[in-house]
Amino acid sequence: QSVLTQPPSVSGAPGQRVTISCTGSSSNIGAGYDVHWYQQLPGTAPKLLIYGNSNRPSGVPDRFSGSKSGTSASLAITGLQAEDEADYYCQSYDSSLSGMFGGGTKLTVL
Amino acid sequence: QVQLQESGPGLVKPSQTLSLTCTVSGGSISSGGYYWSWIRQHPGKGLEWIGYIYYSGSTYYNPSLKSRVTISVDTSKNQFSLKLSSVTAADTAVYYCARDIPSTTPGGGDWFDPWGQGTLVTVSS
Repeated sequence: QSVLTQPPSVSGAPGQRVTISCTGSSSNIGAGYDVHWYQQLPGTAPKLLIYGNSNRPSGVPDRFSGSKSGTSASLAITGLQAEDEADYYCQSYDSSLSGMFGGGTKLTVL
Repeated sequence: QVQLQESGPGLVKPSQTLSLTCTVSGGSISSGGYYWSWIRQHPGKGLEWIGYIYYSGSTYYNPSLKSRVTISVDTSKNQFSLKLSSVTAADTAVYYCARDIPSTTPGGGDWFDPWGQGTLVTVSS
């Protein structure tokens, strides 16, 4: 059972902007802990996409951006491309030390 | 750059102990500053953090798995290992090792980068 809630799926057409939400509580995001995001392409390991709420590792396109407010965080993808079709996971620290990942969101590029 | 590679049996019998090793290349576990984690993903499901170890040997485990998990480190081989005892079919998953990077911001929380490619472990008789 994940303590971070994500929509199971989102979709968008090429070129569009999509957002993926990650809703937590006062024991994780709302307590001030950072949110991180991962992209998992089909059949591969997760890859760090955003760390510390809004920072992109070297090599991640600026089409990907992250934000955090209150007990929630969001990942935005602009200029959607076919290669963005993947599963996306948010992650934060939780005082229960379990279920620190969100349940994942499958992005479909129409 | 740092790379991680998991290795170990792909099939384990119920009630036995699952054993995996992660070999780190391109960087030394002994250099400190990072933790080294195990994470698993049940087929078609999300991610579950199992636990981490520091080069000194200190560990921290997911409370839901703590009674069955042991993570150890061999700095001479630049490896860390996972043992999960009394496995059942519910432990069938892809197991990943990953470098756990602590935030420099107090209370910021850790993130994982990079990850190994993962190894599927099936629990079946």
